[in-house]
Amino acid sequence: GDSVTQMEGPVTLSEEAFLTINCTYTATGYPSLFWYVQYPGEGLQLLLKATKADDKGSNKGFEATYRKETTSFHLEKGSVQVSDSAVYFCALSDMTGANSKLTFGKGITLSVRP
Amino acid sequence: EAGVAQSPRYKIIEKRQSVAFWCNPISGHATLYWYQQILGQGPKLLIQFQNNGVVDDSQLPKDRFSAERLKGVDSTLKIQPAKLEDSAVYLCASRLTTGGNTGELFFGEGSRLTVL
Repeated sequence: GDSVTQMEGPVTLSEEAFLTINCTYTATGYPSLFWYVQYPGEGLQLLLKATKADDKGSNKGFEATYRKETTSFHLEKGSVQVSDSAVYFCALSDMTGANSKLTFGKGITLSVRP
Repeated sequence: EAGVAQSPRYKIIEKRQSVAFWCNPISGHATLYWYQQILGQGPKLLIQFQNNGVVDDSQLPKDRFSAERLKGVDSTLKIQPAKLEDSAVYLCASRLTTGGNTGELFFGEGSRLTVL
């Protein structure tokens, strides 16, 4: 079945540091890939997505590139801010239409120090 | 546009008691999901509805969990009787149904259940 593997956390960085969060996936078809973020006390919200190989999703300074050859979708940001402190989930969707659903990784907590 | 509404936000019960969670999706969203998020884990799909029909309930523990979406709008998830391992956040999400797999899921803030 489909699965998503995220690097172990938590991650603690200083403000303006470079961020990479690794994500790899296993899927039988041609999935769409997503990063969701959960800020403290809030619900999950979409950060970015990519729907086919070599696509790059980007939002709020975050980027991730869909790499079919390595089945990866690593999240990067050049300079993190304290406000980026949150839990980040990598996810995939491998079905179409009404059957479409998200399969999530375990999530990783990012803490950014001033 | 109003988001996905869930209630209650928090619930504490003793094991073997029952509990119900309610979800109102974004207006016009035909697809509704219930996910269970145990502390330290990613959300796991419990059940998926398309309008008032069940698309996938393969991971729903049907001996104790039930869910319905009678009029194809809001939905209720019930646990009876609850076990300690049911302590989790129950997330409701909705989506506009499209022909592909790229549609975004919109999540509510979740209902946190503690079973003592």
